[in-house]
Amino acid sequence: AQKITQTQPGMFVQEKEAVTLDCTYDTSDQSYGLFWYKQPSSGEMIFLIYQGSYDEQNATEGRYSLNFQKARKSANLVISASQLGDSAMYFCAMRELGTGNQFYFGTGTSLTVIP
Amino acid sequence: SQTIHQWPATLVQPVGSPLSLECTVEGTSNPNLYWYRQAAGRGLQLLFYSVGIGQISSEVPQNLSASRPQDRQFILSSKKLLLSDSGFYLCAWAFRGPTYNSPLHFGNGTRLTVT
Repeated sequence: AQKITQTQPGMFVQEKEAVTLDCTYDTSDQSYGLFWYKQPSSGEMIFLIYQGSYDEQNATEGRYSLNFQKARKSANLVISASQLGDSAMYFCAMRELGTGNQFYFGTGTSLTVIP
Repeated sequence: SQTIHQWPATLVQPVGSPLSLECTVEGTSNPNLYWYRQAAGRGLQLLFYSVGIGQISSEVPQNLSASRPQDRQFILSSKKLLLSDSGFYLCAWAFRGPTYNSPLHFGNGTRLTVT
């Protein structure tokens, strides 16, 4: 079974609108972390936001927030007030305490911001 | 603060030639080190990871190899490149497990074209 599932290969959003990128995960570990990365066309992988399994509040970093629903095993990234520079690939990832050296990545979502 | 250096940024090599990509990390000790490959428009494929000097775990059997001669140095090599080795190679580091709350930090990547 896939550890991380991103079901949206491509998404479009109007500039200044909000967009949600979906991520579901599969783990039996109680202790785990969820991460989102942005990869612009230049290729570098930029760490955006982190959510721990014990965190009761959703993580936020500027215009990025993570909608964490533990019972549903989902960790969706919300980008508010989209900008043209947000056009990129976005990857969801997970690290488990039990397999602490491994990172599991989803297949990514390509986001295009339309002016 | 920690930084990761990866070079070269781009590389064009003929089929059958050798390969050496190098990655170094500064500002931390005993990191986990990783090599990923990404085909155009695709997700990340873990090639190798290392939890210490001389300790290499291979995820994908192929004509690539990795070595960790020093604590913060990770090298990806091939004796004879294949066309299928073309891709975007990313080096990354993370704090060593057991942990789940520290992210992967990526280098800027090497774009390899085998002709």
